[in-house]
Amino acid sequence: AQSVTQPDIHITVSEGASLELRCNYSYGATPYLFWYVQSPGQGLQLLLKYFSGDTLVQGIKGFEAEFKRSQSSFNLRKPSVHWSDAAEYFCAVGGSGGSYIPTFGRGTSLIVHP
Amino acid sequence: EAQVTQNPRYLITVTGKKLTVTCSQNMNHEYMSWYRQDPGLGLRQIYYSMNVEVTDKGDVPEGYKVSRKEKRNFPLILESPSPNQTSLYFCASRKGLGDFETQYFGPGTRLLVL
Repeated sequence: AQSVTQPDIHITVSEGASLELRCNYSYGATPYLFWYVQSPGQGLQLLLKYFSGDTLVQGIKGFEAEFKRSQSSFNLRKPSVHWSDAAEYFCAVGGSGGSYIPTFGRGTSLIVHP
Repeated sequence: EAQVTQNPRYLITVTGKKLTVTCSQNMNHEYMSWYRQDPGLGLRQIYYSMNVEVTDKGDVPEGYKVSRKEKRNFPLILESPSPNQTSLYFCASRKGLGDFETQYFGPGTRLLVL
């Protein structure tokens, strides 16, 4: 069975500081991996995805993520955080082996201090 | 503007009183799905539909029904709501089964069952 672990419930950073949100997954085959962002009162927006190829994936809003098969990780990074990045971030895993039902992590809440 | 709409956005009801949450998309997407979001649990898929008249259970279908009579609409039905169905519900659509990059989420429906 596929699963996703986001070990950090909350992350607090200062505006302008770098950010890394952790995501570990469990999946029996080559995974599809996603990061979504949910702003307060909003639905989810896809930040980036990994299906195959280059393990460093660029997304929207200046985010990137790196797929590391040996560590079963897909951590999200941003070099300089803006106050508008404060939101809930969800990592998800899915794949072609099943019915494409993605499994979501519990989410990490990002707090940005001025 | 491409969007997924849900109604109502907020709903308070009592145990056992049937309710329907509507979902509509204007992108001619084939694939639609319903999720519930609970604190500490992330998003869990309730039901999905690959096309008109084709629906299937997700990870947590108990207590819910869906129908897909038209391509654009995918209502979620709670025949006899119970307090454990108090949650935040999201409808989502995407072009096809594997087209995650085209996935849009609705704004969410917050349901309280007393």
